[in-house]
Amino acid sequence: GNSVTQMEGPVTLSEEAFLTINCTYTATGYPSLFWYVQYPGEGLQLLLKATKADDKGSNKGFEATYRKETTSFHLEKGSVQVSDSAVYFCALSIIQGAQKLVFGQGTRLTINP
Amino acid sequence: NAGVTQTPKFRVLKTGQSMTLLCAQDMNHEYMYWYRQDPGMGLRLIHYSVGEGTTAKGEVPDGYNVSRLKKQNFLLGLESAAPSQTSVYFCASSYYGPYTEAFFGQGTRLTVV
Repeated sequence: GNSVTQMEGPVTLSEEAFLTINCTYTATGYPSLFWYVQYPGEGLQLLLKATKADDKGSNKGFEATYRKETTSFHLEKGSVQVSDSAVYFCALSIIQGAQKLVFGQGTRLTINP
Repeated sequence: NAGVTQTPKFRVLKTGQSMTLLCAQDMNHEYMYWYRQDPGMGLRLIHYSVGEGTTAKGEVPDGYNVSRLKKQNFLLGLESAAPSQTSVYFCASSYYGPYTEAFFGQGTRLTVV
């Protein structure tokens, strides 16, 4: 089957710290991979995506590289800000008859000034 | 540009009452989804639709019904609400395709007492 596993939260960092949120996936095929972000009281919005192996998605200083050999899509940012405090979801999309969209459990990130 | 709009944003129900959540999208997307978000559980797919007049069960469909009479609308019904259905409900829509992301509404916070 298809599944996404994220590192357990919550994660608390100081401003300007380096961030990594781990994500691994299982898929019977070749999925596209996504990171979504959910700010307090809002719905999810796309942060970045990668559609094939070795692609790097990037946005707002965040990056993630599609690693087929390790089935991973870890989210990184070199220097976090208080405004990055949110819940982050890793997800995959794959066509198997219908289009299937599978989410990880989410990682809550809090950045302290 | 409205995107995905959910109605209502908040609701409190008594056990056994019924209600309908409305999702509307203005992006001409084929796919629409209903998810529930519970603490520590991430997003779980309730039902989805691949086009007007079609619906399909997701991961946790019991206790819910859906309808998609018009392409732009996807309704989620609770016939007899239970406290276990207390959750935040998100609607999403997307084009059909392996690289496309989902667009989310802002959510409906439902409490069943």
